[in-house]
Amino acid sequence: EVQLVQSGAEVKKPGESLKISCKGSGYSFTSYWIGWVRQMPGKGLEWMGIIYPGDSDTRYSPSFQGQVTISADKSISTAYLQWSSLKASDTAMYYCARTVSGGPTDGMDVWGQGTTVTVSS
Amino acid sequence: SYVLTQPPSVSVAPGQTARITCGGNNIGSKSVHWYQQKPGQAPVLVVYDDSDRPSGIPERFSGSNSGNTATLTISRVEAGDEADYYCQVWDSSSDRWVFGGGTKLTVL
Repeated sequence: EVQLVQSGAEVKKPGESLKISCKGSGYSFTSYWIGWVRQMPGKGLEWMGIIYPGDSDTRYSPSFQGQVTISADKSISTAYLQWSSLKASDTAMYYCARTVSGGPTDGMDVWGQGTTVTVSS
Repeated sequence: SYVLTQPPSVSVAPGQTARITCGGNNIGSKSVHWYQQKPGQAPVLVVYDDSDRPSGIPERFSGSNSGNTATLTISRVEAGDEADYYCQVWDSSSDRWVFGGGTKLTVL
């Protein structure tokens, strides 16, 4: 079964760092793009960025460029989303998702279950 | 930047046809993908590349795209179709994904 399994919920304080993960299984991890999507409470979907684990080619939304870092470790079929200094406004659900096929413009047909990040003092 | 516009809400009676639009400048030249999201769940891809359906998605879900409007059509609507629906395109001019604001489908 093709699946993406994300790391568990996090509760952090402003200013702290965080790295959440997304582990792929059941398919060739290096052959599909992995995207990250933010959903703030009660709001819509926002695309953050996308990475191709095969060569770590990464694209960021201008809204998130410089605010987060997307990476991947193909040896363990895992993609990451990290912050160096969290803000309260980073409180949201974060999803990873895989593209339908090998292009970054494809739809995303496999989604992780989501990771809730809460940032509060 | 490229903007996708969806109506905030659409209401339809069971058994009727729901049409959810996604407007964008010359969107007909782009590939449009549609997602369904139920409360507390991750999004699910229901239509990709304008009109293709992933395996497991009922034939009741279909899509079209022309000019400045893409449309997701749900035929013979069921109570279980009640959800938020989002359109998405790749904006090649800025090399990034864009989501529409989402449409809440209410089944009366």
